[in-house]
Amino acid sequence: DAGVIQSPRHEVTEMGQEVTLRCKPISGHDYLFWYRQTMMRGLELLIYFNNNVPIDDSGMPEDRFSAKMPNASFSTLKIQPSEPRDSAVYFCASSNSGFLRPQHFGDGTRLSIL
Amino acid sequence: GQQLNQSPQSMFIQEGEDVSMNCTSSSIFNTWLWYKQDPGEGPVLLIALYKAGELTSNGRLTAQFGITRKDSFLNISASIPSDVGIYFCAGLQGGSEKLVFGKGMKLTVNP
Repeated sequence: DAGVIQSPRHEVTEMGQEVTLRCKPISGHDYLFWYRQTMMRGLELLIYFNNNVPIDDSGMPEDRFSAKMPNASFSTLKIQPSEPRDSAVYFCASSNSGFLRPQHFGDGTRLSIL
Repeated sequence: GQQLNQSPQSMFIQEGEDVSMNCTSSSIFNTWLWYKQDPGEGPVLLIALYKAGELTSNGRLTAQFGITRKDSFLNISASIPSDVGIYFCAGLQGGSEKLVFGKGMKLTVNP
């Protein structure tokens, strides 16, 4: 079975540019999560969706960050304009419905903002 | 935000040794999960625990859901070089889908 698929795997861009990260969850999973991982702060939840609807975006750092899920098989995380402090590894994860179902992670996008 | 206290932060062991790590919180969790992350990859689920007191094994890995629901332990027996990586604990509270993660434990296994 295909796991969570993220693209691109690596992104290097200059400060001020728009960055779009993409995620395809596991088929049949109805929860999708976006995380950011840094050495200083570890894994942080940014936002999550249930049935394509954003449920909790309290982890989104500021208005420069936005996420969408237009359908059950695709989500994007956008940063506009990007800043050097946004450099991190961004993970997407998905899970089945139910509060006890574990989340499965993609391999992440390593983002570097110069 | 809420954090889980994971210890130790790193360990250096010899191949063949056992290793233990734990995770504690001041809050109650209904689910405990243990993940392993290899360099350049996402966390991979190792063990999921759903009931207080539950003891679950997955090969050489054994994990327990603390009876108070505020802690969990992971043991790795007879370590091998491929056990190297970062181990994360994570917890889910009742009525929430928001996983809370520990800071991770970096394991190094010397052949």
